[in-house]
Amino acid sequence: QVQLVQSGAEVRKPGASVKVSCKASGYTFTNYGISWVRQAPGQGLEWMGWISAYNGNTHYAQNLQGRVTMTTDTSTSTAYIELRSLRSDDTAVYYCARDWSYDSLAPFNSWGQGTLVTVSS
Amino acid sequence: EILMTQSPATLSVSPGERATLSCRASQSVRSNLAWYQQKPGQTPRLLIYGASTRATGIPARFSGSGSGTEFTLTISSLQSEDFAVYYCQQYNNWPPLTFGGGTKVEIK
Repeated sequence: QVQLVQSGAEVRKPGASVKVSCKASGYTFTNYGISWVRQAPGQGLEWMGWISAYNGNTHYAQNLQGRVTMTTDTSTSTAYIELRSLRSDDTAVYYCARDWSYDSLAPFNSWGQGTLVTVSS
Repeated sequence: EILMTQSPATLSVSPGERATLSCRASQSVRSNLAWYQQKPGQTPRLLIYGASTRATGIPARFSGSGSGTEFTLTISSLQSEDFAVYYCQQYNNWPPLTFGGGTKVEIK
């Protein structure tokens, strides 16, 4: 079965960077893209962007352009998201989610367990 | 960017009663609309996709309807495990994918 296992919680100071991983198993990694979604405490869901695990193409949410980079390592079936110049409002649970099918990004039926990133001085 | 607006923000319902949640898109998303359930501390769970198709394992008391810009999620008879936050998501036009702000279904 499809599994997405994320790295553990992180604490960073404002201005620092963080990199979260999402290790996939149970399917052919390069056949599906990965989206990243975050959720600030007590808030709703925010789509951050998408990466193709086939060729590395990316689409980022406009409000994160310049601060976010999504990558994949096909040798380990792992996706990564790096967020730079962290601010307090980046404090959130970060989720990875797999594409619905080879030709459809969404909906999301497979999610990682979430990684809490706390930005605090 | 397509804005998704959910109403009401909070819905108070007694167990066994019917709950009706609304989701409106700022422009047509055809039937490319999903509903998710999220309980505290848990990952979102896909309930409905294609506006009206239940995901695998989702009970029949959950139903979705609508197309274009107006959508509804109905829970026919609320069970204790259904009290949660519900989000709609459009995937017709992206980037970006967009979610509604959520409706919290609470016990009356």
